[in-house]
Amino acid sequence: AQTVTQSQPEMSVQEAETVTLSCTYDTSESDYYLFWYKQPPSRQMILVIRQEAYKQQNATENRFSVNFQKAAKSFSLKISDSQLGDAAMYFCAYRGSPNFGNEKLTFGTGTRLTIIP
Amino acid sequence: NAGVTQTPKFQVLKTGQSMTLQCAQDMNHNSMYWYRQDPGMGLRLIYYSASEGTTDKGEVPNGYNVSRLNKREFSLRLESAAPSQTSVYFCASSGTQRQPQHFGDGTRLSIL
Repeated sequence: AQTVTQSQPEMSVQEAETVTLSCTYDTSESDYYLFWYKQPPSRQMILVIRQEAYKQQNATENRFSVNFQKAAKSFSLKISDSQLGDAAMYFCAYRGSPNFGNEKLTFGTGTRLTIIP
Repeated sequence: NAGVTQTPKFQVLKTGQSMTLQCAQDMNHNSMYWYRQDPGMGLRLIYYSASEGTTDKGEVPNGYNVSRLNKREFSLRLESAAPSQTSVYFCASSGTQRQPQHFGDGTRLSIL
């Protein structure tokens, strides 16, 4: 079974600075997807960024980017120019190959990010 | 755009009572999911439905049943609620298998 590990329960960063959240995963599959979801106090689950394992290029979405190291099974999230609205729980999630009907998401335990004004 | 709608948003039950959580999506998605979120843990999959007419167990299915009523609706039923089922429940949906899942706003369920 796949597992997702987020080893940082809490992180904090000064406003306008850069922070990196860590995620590692375990899988025997070669085709899969990785996601970062944000959960603010409102409890919504908001997709931040996604990465397809067959793509070597790291995904970016405005101030959010990932460092995807497939061999090391590592998928970290970098937030640049941190803003107060970035304060939330961040979850890393793994989804297996759709070719085998594996659409289920496996989540890590989350990292609570605090932004210091 | 409504997306994924869950009802109710909050509910308190007594042990042994039954309840159905409702979920509907208006994005014409094939797949729908039910997760639970407990403190200190990520979301865990309870049941999912890859298409209308099919359902499969996830990681933590015990104590729950589901119904995929039609393409839009996927309900989760607790037949005899237990305190261990106190949690926040999320419904999600996705279109093609390569698309990300979209989540509802969650239902906070407390069982006394």
